[in-house]
Amino acid sequence: EVELVESGGGVVQPGGSLRLFCAASGFTFDDHTMHWVRQAPGKGLEWVSLITWDGSRRDYTDSVKGRFIISRDNGKNSLYLQMNSLRAEDSAFYYCVRDGQWLVLDYWGQGALVTVSS
Amino acid sequence: EIVMTQSPPTLSVSPGERATLSCRASQYVSNSLAWYQQKPGQAPRLLIYGASTTATGIPARFSGSGSGTEFTLTISSLQSEDFAVYYCQQYNDWPLTFGPGTKVDIK
Repeated sequence: EVELVESGGGVVQPGGSLRLFCAASGFTFDDHTMHWVRQAPGKGLEWVSLITWDGSRRDYTDSVKGRFIISRDNGKNSLYLQMNSLRAEDSAFYYCVRDGQWLVLDYWGQGALVTVSS
Repeated sequence: EIVMTQSPPTLSVSPGERATLSCRASQYVSNSLAWYQQKPGQAPRLLIYGASTTATGIPARFSGSGSGTEFTLTISSLQSEDFAVYYCQQYNDWPLTFGPGTKVDIK
């Protein structure tokens, strides 16, 4: 069974940093591109970033470019999101998502809540 | 950026009735369109991809249609577990974008 478990969320002050983790199991991790998608409480979904299976391609939505870094460790079946220079508008649930076939988001974790507040 | 719109924002339906949800893209997206279901407190779940292909484990009462810029999700006979928010998402161009959602609630 595919399982994605996020951790590392919490409360951080504006301008601060946070690193999210996603532990993957139940599938061959390095066969898949992985994504982060976020959702502010009570709001809609926003794609944040992707990384291909080998890390050779990384893409970001414009609002996080230069501030967020996506990475992965295939040996540990883990996905990461380093978030720097955080802003209030970055507050959201961050979902770790598997890419089933190019850009189809087929399995989602339960999300990690990030709150940026002073 | 391709802007996705969904209508109606809320759809009130009685159990057993048919529900039809619409999604429109601001530009051509071919059939690169997916639908997701999200229940309160849960992560989204993939229902449909390629505009009309049902994802693994999704009941046959869910179906998708359309191509280009106009798409439809149909739930043939609503069950109690289908009351949720439904999002469409295009993956034809960067960045990936989602619609604002349609909430299906009990009439």
